[in-house]
This record gives sequence, C-alpha cells and structure tokens, in this order.
Amino acid sequence: GAVVSQHPSRVICKSGTSVKIECRSLDFQATTMFWYRQFPKQSLMLMATSNEGSKATYEQGVEKDKFLINHASLTLSTLTVTSAHPEDSSFYICSARWRGTSGEQFFGPGTRLTVL
Amino acid sequence: KQEVTQIPAALSVPEGENLVLNCSFTDSAIYNLQWFRQDPGKGLTSLLLIQSSQREQTSGRLNASLDKSSGRSTLYIAASQPGDSATYLCAVRKNNDMRFGAGTRLTVKP
Repeated sequence: GAVVSQHPSRVICKSGTSVKIECRSLDFQATTMFWYRQFPKQSLMLMATSNEGSKATYEQGVEKDKFLINHASLTLSTLTVTSAHPEDSSFYICSARWRGTSGEQFFGPGTRLTVL
Repeated sequence: KQEVTQIPAALSVPEGENLVLNCSFTDSAIYNLQWFRQDPGKGLTSLLLIQSSQREQTSGRLNASLDKSSGRSTLYIAASQPGDSATYLCAVRKNNDMRFGAGTRLTVKP
C-alpha cells in the first residue's frame, strides 16, 4: 500500500520558537495533502488542505499565519507552527491522496508536538 | 456541515465476542466512508474503505456496511481478540475533505 512518512515523530520546543513538520508520500505522487490536529482523546480535526503548487485552504478558526503550509512538490508538504505556544501542543497528522484515484487517503504516523 | 457521530464512545468485551461499532453522519451525499484503527499515540491504520455506490466491504474478521440514505455505517468485528483493542474511527468524505467521528475506544479482555 501507499506509504506516507512524517518527520520528526516527536518534537519538544520552547514557547515562541517555530517548528517545521515534514510530510512525504514515499511511493506515489500526492496532488493533495491534508493536515489534521488531534488533541488527547479527541478525534482528528482538519486544519488545512493543500494542493501542489497552490496556496493551502484553511478551515475556519485555523490561523494561516500561524500554521504555514507549503506543498512545493508532489511528494512533500510542510507544516510550520510559528511562535508556538503551549496550547499548540498536540498530535499533528498529515495525509495524502493519490492523483486521480477513487479517493483513498493515506495517513502518516503523526508528529507529537510539545511546547514548553 | 457534515457531523459524524460514533456510538458507543467506549466498549469493553471479553475475548471471542462478536461486536458492532456504529457510525452515523448527517449529510448523505458522501463520496466514500472509511474505517480506521488508531493505537494510543500512533497514526491511523486504514481498515476498510466503502465507496458511496457500495453497501459493504469485508477484510478478514472485519465487515463494514454502508447505508447512505439513512446516514449510517457499522463495523462488525468477529471473534474479537485482545489485539483488537484500539480506538476505531470512521470518516466520511465529501468533495475534497474528510470528516472524522470521535471514535470508539475498544477494549477486548483476555
């Protein structure tokens, strides 16, 4: 099956710093990538959708200047959490969709962000 | 806006039991529905994907059904095992995005 990787798997940073999370589709081209956030014991909440070569579409309530998304190639999307605060601590999961398929999304293993 | 609800929120059963997890959604105009498994602190593992034109999918001990008109899906797990303990999430896709339920936390006791 299709594989999506994320790096790093976990990161701890100080409040006020920026953190970049990478999402890669390893064996397929992903025209669309999605970023989700999951708080403890809650479900995944879609943050934004990014299409290769164009600006990301953010969900209501998600600050685009705080969560910078770049989808520069068909195999890589990055999420940068700028000026991180403790309330940004969460589990961030990306997913990728094949070009022109029936629509199955493949999910990365997630990144645990802890902001001190 | 699509709302996805999963019942029950938590379920504990003895090993060997058959069980059913429920998922309901408010907007029946979906593209597909997918069931996932999530272990604590881990990402998602896709279990079954049902396209809107399909009524069920089977994989091993798992069977998922879809009744699009009533906005419901069920995940049936036969002969449950302790290794099945995890959180099970259903997600529906309409257009370009996927919406998740809050999950059912399953514990299978040896």
